[in-house]
Amino acid sequence: GNSVTQMEGPVTLSEEAFLTINCTYTATGYPSLFWYVQYPGEGLQLLLKATKADDKGSNKGFEATYRKETTSFHLEKGSVQVSDSAVYFCALMNSGYSTLTFGKGTMLLVSP
Amino acid sequence: SQTIHQWPATLVQPVGSPLSLECTVEGTSNPNLYWYRQAAGRGLQLLFYSVGIGQISSEVPQNLSASRPQDRQFILSSKKLLLSDSGFYLCASNSDPSSDTGELFFGEGSRLTVL
Repeated sequence: GNSVTQMEGPVTLSEEAFLTINCTYTATGYPSLFWYVQYPGEGLQLLLKATKADDKGSNKGFEATYRKETTSFHLEKGSVQVSDSAVYFCALMNSGYSTLTFGKGTMLLVSP
Repeated sequence: SQTIHQWPATLVQPVGSPLSLECTVEGTSNPNLYWYRQAAGRGLQLLFYSVGIGQISSEVPQNLSASRPQDRQFILSSKKLLLSDSGFYLCASNSDPSSDTGELFFGEGSRLTVL
């Protein structure tokens, strides 16, 4: 079956530090990959996505590259801000299916 | 764009009491609808999804049920709550029903505490 594994948090960084949140997946075929973000007390929002190998998704300074050879979709940002503090979820969806499989989420805490 | 409304936002219920969480969607027609539960340390668990009125698929056996009486209404229910039902419940809708790209819009959630 499908599964998504994320690094455990919390990840604690100072403002302007470099961020990496690791995500690896197990799936049959060629899934689409997503990063969602959940700000405190809110629902989830789509942050970025990639639909095929070597695609790079990007948004708000965040990037992630679909690596088929390592089955990974690591999230990166060059310089984090306090406002980036949130829980980040990696997710996948296989083509032809209607449901997303999420990782457990990684909390990011950025201090001034 | 879509807007998803969930209510109540917060609920405290005793063990054994019934539950009804409601979700309505605006700005789209014939969406796929989803109920997820977010429990501490366990990430997001898909509970139910629906591709149309009266069509419900259950992902996890439990004492919860879901119904879709109207195209843009999705209800999560229980006849008797358990302590383990505590969590943050999120309703979601797919962003483009015609293409099903996997992008979801989420509501702001309903936090349930069972005592």
